Amino acid sequence: EAQVTQNPRYLITVTGKKLTVTCSQNMNHEYMSWYRQDPGLGLRQIYYSMNVEVTDKGDVPEGYKVSRKEKRNFPLILESPSPNQTSLYFCASGLAGQETQYFGPGTRLLVL
Amino acid sequence: AQKITQTQPGMFVQEKEAVTLDCTYDTSDQSYGLFWYKQPSSGEMIFLIYQGSYDEQNATEGRYSLNFQKARKSANLVISASQLGDSAMYFCAMSLLSSNTGKLIFGQGTTLQVKP
Repeated sequence: EAQVTQNPRYLITVTGKKLTVTCSQNMNHEYMSWYRQDPGLGLRQIYYSMNVEVTDKGDVPEGYKVSRKEKRNFPLILESPSPNQTSLYFCASGLAGQETQYFGPGTRLLVL
Repeated sequence: AQKITQTQPGMFVQEKEAVTLDCTYDTSDQSYGLFWYKQPSSGEMIFLIYQGSYDEQNATEGRYSLNFQKARKSANLVISASQLGDSAMYFCAMSLLSSNTGKLIFGQGTTLQVKP
């Protein structure tokens, strides 16, 4: 089944404790991206990647890191999480040059 | 500025009836894509339908159709024969093919409730 997976789906952590949210897709998509969704602010792009080893900042990259060592994986790293990073996070993937992006199931993060 | 506007925060529809969710967009680009996504209460974002700016025919996917009116810059979603499982938040989104970020620009969403 073609899909984008994210882990964990739910996470409660404390300020300053490094965490990684994994994202994996099995559709051989070149393009991958991370969004966060917040009430009243909608979905905002954090980082994106056009292909392996090619990543760039989106609209709200502060406090986040990403890497793209393999085509299928695009982890989101929070080196020192803060409460304002409490949010619902989505990973998305798509074929470069085509528009449709498919989203993972989301990761709900609470930073205390 | 590139923007998506969904003016209906919430809507009700009777089961088995059709419903139209409004979406207007603002861009000066000539090449763009328009999408609708469904977000049920469980939180996932489900792709429903896509319309390219150069597509002359309205997109359809099963019970979903996109009423694309380019001159009015509108891309309304029509759901025919509503089902209880259609109750969810619906987002309209746009991508600009000239952009190298692949970013989707989302509207604020419309909550649809289907009544039995």
